[in-house]
Amino acid sequence: DTGVSQDPRHKITKRGQNVTFRCDPISEHNRLYWYRQTLGQGPEFLTYFQNEAQLEKSRLLSDRFSAERPKGSFSTLEIQRTEQGDSAMYLCASSSRPTGGISYNSPLHFGNGTRLTVT
Amino acid sequence: SQQGEEDPQALSIQEGENATMNCSYKTSINNLQWYRQNSGRGLVHLILIRSNEREKHSGRLRVTLDTSKKSSSLLITASRAADTASYFCAPRAGYNTDKLIFGTGTRLQVFP
Repeated sequence: DTGVSQDPRHKITKRGQNVTFRCDPISEHNRLYWYRQTLGQGPEFLTYFQNEAQLEKSRLLSDRFSAERPKGSFSTLEIQRTEQGDSAMYLCASSSRPTGGISYNSPLHFGNGTRLTVT
Repeated sequence: SQQGEEDPQALSIQEGENATMNCSYKTSINNLQWYRQNSGRGLVHLILIRSNEREKHSGRLRVTLDTSKKSSSLLITASRAADTASYFCAPRAGYNTDKLIFGTGTRLQVFP
């Protein structure tokens, strides 16, 4: 278990630029989640995948945000035409669905996030 | 899905003291999870308590669940400076959606 890995750890970009973040979940985990967190707040749900299928996307997520998990392994989160309000920590998490088990009893394993600063 | 609300928002104690954090939620749940977050890091899962359980222990952690009051508490005994972190509860309904919704957390400061 090498943990959830996120890249890059920090990203500074100018307003209007596009950015892409990558998340590598724990290898046997089939569920992958993206959250966004601003200072002093809890993580805010963005979207989640089961294998390659995107099962839910937050209504708070504008059309500038898109996430993919093409082969059911790593995932990317892209933000187009960044705005200063996009500055935040972007967290990725993964969880497993035990065979014959109940998925919602599986804890989430988080990466250490990508901190985005939009200037 | 539903969000837990942690109370208090901030808590400061001395090393060796116990720390108690509370969580309230609104609708029925399948389980409730507690997570810890150190500054600038991701969340770490601490403990999960199922709706048919009333109390659970893990090391210096004790979690209680009262489904009739829709509340949970996390007790950290004999706190250490390393326990300084934010703590979040996440109630999970377990149907229709598999996401966890987090509140604003309790920021715990343990002074040496």
